[in-house]
Amino acid sequence: KQEVTQIPAALSVPEGENLVLNCSFTDSAIYNLQWFRQDPGKGLTSLLLIQSSQREQTSGRLNASLDKSSGRSTLYIAASQPGDSATYLCAVLSRYNQGGKLIFGQGTELSVKP
Amino acid sequence: KAGVTQTPRYLIKTRGQQVTLSCSPISGHRSVSWYQQTPGQGLQFLFEYFSETQRNKGNFPGRFSGRQFSNSRSEMNVSTLELGDSALYLCASSLDGHDNSPLHFGNGTRLTVT
Repeated sequence: KQEVTQIPAALSVPEGENLVLNCSFTDSAIYNLQWFRQDPGKGLTSLLLIQSSQREQTSGRLNASLDKSSGRSTLYIAASQPGDSATYLCAVLSRYNQGGKLIFGQGTELSVKP
Repeated sequence: KAGVTQTPRYLIKTRGQQVTLSCSPISGHRSVSWYQQTPGQGLQFLFEYFSETQRNKGNFPGRFSGRQFSNSRSEMNVSTLELGDSALYLCASSLDGHDNSPLHFGNGTRLTVT
């Protein structure tokens, strides 16, 4: 059974810092891994999607890496800003159980202080 | 292009009642999936519909059901509501649920059962 874990559960940093969020999964047979952002009371916004054959994806100040063999992904946020404060979730789409069924981690709640 | 639209945004129901939530996917998206989000369990997959057929189902009791219409709009129904059904219900759409395009989430319906 696929399980996704995110560490740390919460993180508070001063503005301008570079930071790394971690995600690990137990079954390497994945189709893709996605990182999402969720603001309080809102839905999820897709940040980056990494296919199983890829090693990383970049979008602006965000860079996500994937090491399928070790079951790990990291989300790197450069030069953090107060507007980056949100909960960040990673989710995997299992190769053997697709059809929209993402398995989510519990999220990392990020607070960036001005 | 309009995003995923969920209605209503908020619902308050009493134990034993039933409720219907609605989701309109992004135009052209044929896969619609539903998730339940609670503080304790996080995000959990309910079911996924494609071309009016349920293609995948999570581990929820039969009180939770859904359907999809020919225009890809989807509804989910919860019968005989319990206090534990209080949650944020999120709908997501994608082109077909199997490709590598990211899921797009709506802002959710916040259900409170009293």
